[in-house]
Amino acid sequence: NAGVMQNPRHLVRRRGQEARLRCSPMKGHSHVYWYRQLPEEGLKFMVYLQKENIIDESGMPKERFSAEFPKEGPSILRIQQVVRGDSAAYFCASSDSRGWAGEQYFGPGTRLTVT
Amino acid sequence: KNQVEQSPQSLIILEGKNCTLQCNYTVSPFSNLRWYKQDTGRGPVSLTIMTFSENTKSNGRYTATLDADTKQSSLHITASQLSDSASYICVVSPHQGSSYKLIFGSGTRLLVRP
Repeated sequence: NAGVMQNPRHLVRRRGQEARLRCSPMKGHSHVYWYRQLPEEGLKFMVYLQKENIIDESGMPKERFSAEFPKEGPSILRIQQVVRGDSAAYFCASSDSRGWAGEQYFGPGTRLTVT
Repeated sequence: KNQVEQSPQSLIILEGKNCTLQCNYTVSPFSNLRWYKQDTGRGPVSLTIMTFSENTKSNGRYTATLDADTKQSSLHITASQLSDSASYICVVSPHQGSSYKLIFGSGTRLLVRP
């Protein structure tokens, strides 16, 4: 049973480019969470999605960042016009049908470097 | 001020020794408190989960304690092994309305030396 998959594991973008981070939840999981970890800091909640719905995006910057979890395919975290401050590790987690009451299982993360 | 503070920031111990990591939190009310292990380059993996009514929870050589009155938790590792080298993160899950918004401490980096 594969765990949460994220790709790419490492992503390098120049300032102004777009970054697309993908997350495939564990089999049977329909709830996805994105977290950001800046260097030397703890993970910070960004957004909570269910299939085709954004449940809570209160932790996500209002501009340049968007997230989706389509009916088919992985969840995508999209960062437009990246800046150096976007350099961080982005982790995705998933949980089962119990949603917020279920355990969150984390993927290995995508390390984004903006040059 | 961080809502979850951990100490020490880093720790070096010899293989076979015990150690205790500390966590102070201000999140209130909270649903549960968790300890995660994060290996370098990996995502966090859950070690223990405690509700506010639980005082202690064990998982093999890991034992977590919780004092909800003083808002403190600890993680005790016994008979450390080289594979215990990792970051240990204290995580608080807020009250039920938004318990999915896990609040992470910055972690304690543990290095176990032979």
